[in-house]
Amino acid sequence: QKEVEQNSGPLSVPEGAIASLNCTYSDRGSQSFFWYRQYSGKSPELIMSIYSNGDKEDGRFTAQLNKASQYVSLLIRDSQPSDSATYLCAVLRYYGNNRLAFGKGNQVVVIP
Amino acid sequence: DGGITQSPKYLFRKEGQNVTLSCEQNLNHDAMYWYRQDPGQGLRLIYYSQIVNDFQKGDIAEGYSVSREKKESFPLTVTSAQKNPTAFYLCASLPPGSGNTGELFFGEGSRLTVL
Repeated sequence: QKEVEQNSGPLSVPEGAIASLNCTYSDRGSQSFFWYRQYSGKSPELIMSIYSNGDKEDGRFTAQLNKASQYVSLLIRDSQPSDSATYLCAVLRYYGNNRLAFGKGNQVVVIP
Repeated sequence: DGGITQSPKYLFRKEGQNVTLSCEQNLNHDAMYWYRQDPGQGLRLIYYSQIVNDFQKGDIAEGYSVSREKKESFPLTVTSAQKNPTAFYLCASLPPGSGNTGELFFGEGSRLTVL
């Protein structure tokens, strides 16, 4: 079992719709969870972080964490063409040494 | 402006050759990281360093080597022992005092192709 799994294939959504991305992790002791956005050929950038169960909203982005079920999700509301990118889920594995484990990413394509 | 500079952006290497990727930061960050990314894949940790003159292996260190002689610099050498080195290499650093926020600052990456 991979530490961080993102199994969905490319996601195509019409402009203005909601894009929903899911991620599961294997280490029940994981403390911190992150979503990075990566445009094609570019480096990743942090867009959301979440540390406790529940929802966290930032603009059009909402991260959801459920530690009991070991999943974290990202919702993108009112999707825009500029949201077309790969979204990487990352989990802090060992508290204190700042080692992040990344999923393989989900590609999102927003269709105008 | 502060940031992380990786060079070169593109590099071609013949099989059997060693190559060194440069990573320099002027952000005064202690912790630095090297990741590898293959097409359609996430980032895999090669090496990381939390302080000058100290570094640890990540998940895929075989065939790679690093040094951390200065706080600003964390070069990665891809040796001939790395069997499949063609990939996108990303250098990152973590701000001091950020604890476990996970907010990595990335360079623009170096794309290595083995001919």
